[in-house]
Amino acid sequence: AQTVTQSQPEMSVQEAETVTLSCTYDTSENNYYLFWYKQPPSRQMILVIRQEAYKQQNATENRFSVNFQKAAKSFSLKISDSQLGDTAMYFCAFFTRYGKLTFGQGTILTVHP
Amino acid sequence: DTEVTQTPKHLVMGMTNKKSLKCEQHMGHRAMYWYKQKAKKPPELMFVYSYEKLSINESVPSRFSPECPNSSLLNLHLHALQPEDSALYLCASSTRTGEGVWDEKLFFGSGTQLSVL
Repeated sequence: AQTVTQSQPEMSVQEAETVTLSCTYDTSENNYYLFWYKQPPSRQMILVIRQEAYKQQNATENRFSVNFQKAAKSFSLKISDSQLGDTAMYFCAFFTRYGKLTFGQGTILTVHP
Repeated sequence: DTEVTQTPKHLVMGMTNKKSLKCEQHMGHRAMYWYKQKAKKPPELMFVYSYEKLSINESVPSRFSPECPNSSLLNLHLHALQPEDSALYLCASSTRTGEGVWDEKLFFGSGTQLSVL
């Protein structure tokens, strides 16, 4: 079974600064995908970024980037130039080839003006 | 159309009621999912349908009954629910490109907020 652990229940950051959210996971699979999802107060699940396990290059999407350490089973999210609209709950998630998407417990991120 | 549409957005029901949640997508996706999410908790997988057949049931109580009548529609029938079943119910869909191959990108609906009194 896969487990996903987010050890930071809450984080805060000043607008325009950089923040890093942590995620570790455990699996015996070799082929899988990792994701960060954002869930604002509207509760719509929004895909922020995804990483394919067989790719060594870290994924980036505009202000969002990941640090993927496969051997350490670590997958952190860096948000640069934080904006007020980044305030949300962030979930790290793991997807297997069997069609299961497993989420971590989430990190509530608050961006302060 | 890249949307997953869930209706109703809000539902209040008594413990003796029968109600249904509906999820629809017109993206040609052949995998559809039901998740349950309590406030400030992660979504928990309930059911997965693949090519209109139930593929995964995560030991969900029988008072929740899923149905996939066609490739665009997914229902969740509710009967004799308990107050602890109050939650946000999320539907999602993804493509299937072949036997044993699951597309990893899920498209989520905006959910149905269910309150059981």
